[in-house]
Order: sequence, then C-alpha cells, then structure tokens
Amino acid sequence: AQKVTQAQTEISVVEKEDVTLDCVYETRDTTYYLFWYKQPPSGELVFLIRRNSFDEQNEISGRYSWNFQKSTSSFNFTITASQVVDSAVYFCALSEAPTDKLIFGTGTRLQVFP
Amino acid sequence: DVKVTQSSRYLVKRTGEKVFLECVQDMDHENMFWYRQDPGLGLRLIYFSYDVKMKEKGDIPEGYSVSREKKERFSLILESASTNQTSMYLCASSSSGAREKLFFGSGTQLSVL
Repeated sequence: AQKVTQAQTEISVVEKEDVTLDCVYETRDTTYYLFWYKQPPSGELVFLIRRNSFDEQNEISGRYSWNFQKSTSSFNFTITASQVVDSAVYFCALSEAPTDKLIFGTGTRLQVFP
Repeated sequence: DVKVTQSSRYLVKRTGEKVFLECVQDMDHENMFWYRQDPGLGLRLIYFSYDVKMKEKGDIPEGYSVSREKKERFSLILESASTNQTSMYLCASSSSGAREKLFFGSGTQLSVL
C-alpha cells in the first residue's frame, strides 16, 4: 500500500538555525512522484517541489533544498538559515498510480522563533 | 493569478442539516479534489473528479457526495451533517497529465454542532 510518513509532528527552532523535515514513503510503483507543500497560517497549501522517481539529483532553491534517496525511500527537506516566515505546516505527498491522486503525510509543524 | 475559490472560510451547521461546500477554479483544470484535514491525520481524500459529471470515491467517502455539473465547479455535499464531520475542508484542482501539482483553495472550517 502507498504510504507517507512524517515522523516529526512539531519542530521548534530559533531564527537562522538550519532545520530538516523528514519524509519516508512506501510504494510498489516504479514510476512515482513526490511533492512538498507548505501550509502557512492562512490555510492555503502552497506547492514547493515535485520530483519523479527517476531523478535522484538533489535540488536547491534559495534557502530550500531537497534530498531524495530511493535506497532509503526518503525525500527530506532542509531549510537553511530559517526565518520566522518559514513557520508553517509542511506536508510531504506521494502521487499514486494510476489515479494520480496525492497521498499526504500527517504534516510537520515548524515554528521559527525570533 | 490562478485561483481556487471556496465559498466560505467558516461555516457552522446543526446536526442533520444538509450542507453544501462550493469550490470554483479559474484555470480550466480537468481534475478537482476534495480533502479533509484533521489534526494528526493530515489530508485525506474524500472524492475527486476527472471531468464534468464524473466522480470517483477517495479514501473516506462515507457520509459525503459530490456534484460536478460544470468544469470549473466542484461541490461537496454532506447529506446529513454529523459532529464527526467537523473539520477543515480543502478543495484542489490540477490539469490532466501525469502527476501534475495541485492548486488548493484556502479551505472551509466546518463546525457541526
């Protein structure tokens, strides 16, 4: 069965600290996509990244970086030099074949204190 | 700017009432989805639709139905609201094709008393 696990329920850091959010997935598909979404206090989920199963290159976008490792079925998200505006709930998700619907993890609440 | 609009941000209903949650997208997307979000459970898929008048059950469809008469509008219906349906409801849409990203609305916080 398809499954996404975000073991960290809540993380608190002080501004400028680096923080890593963990995501572990389970799937029998050979082709699949992984996603990260951010949900700020306003409530609307915002897309951050999508990776397909054939592309294991790490990706960096500004202060954000993602580490995809098929060997450990993980897709971890790191924020470098965290800021207060990074405070949000972050969701990892897996796209399930053949319906393309997304299966979400339970989310990690990140609080960044000044 | 592309948008998914949910008709209400907060809604309070009584047990047994029929409740309609409306969602409209302006991106001409084929796919639309309804999720509910509960603390500790993440987002769970209720229903989705790949085309007008089409609907598919998600993981937790019991107690819900949907309607998609027009491409841009996807309605979630609670036939007889119950207290365990108190939740945040999130609508999303995506274009057709392999594993496209979802665009979400701001959500409707429904309280059933």
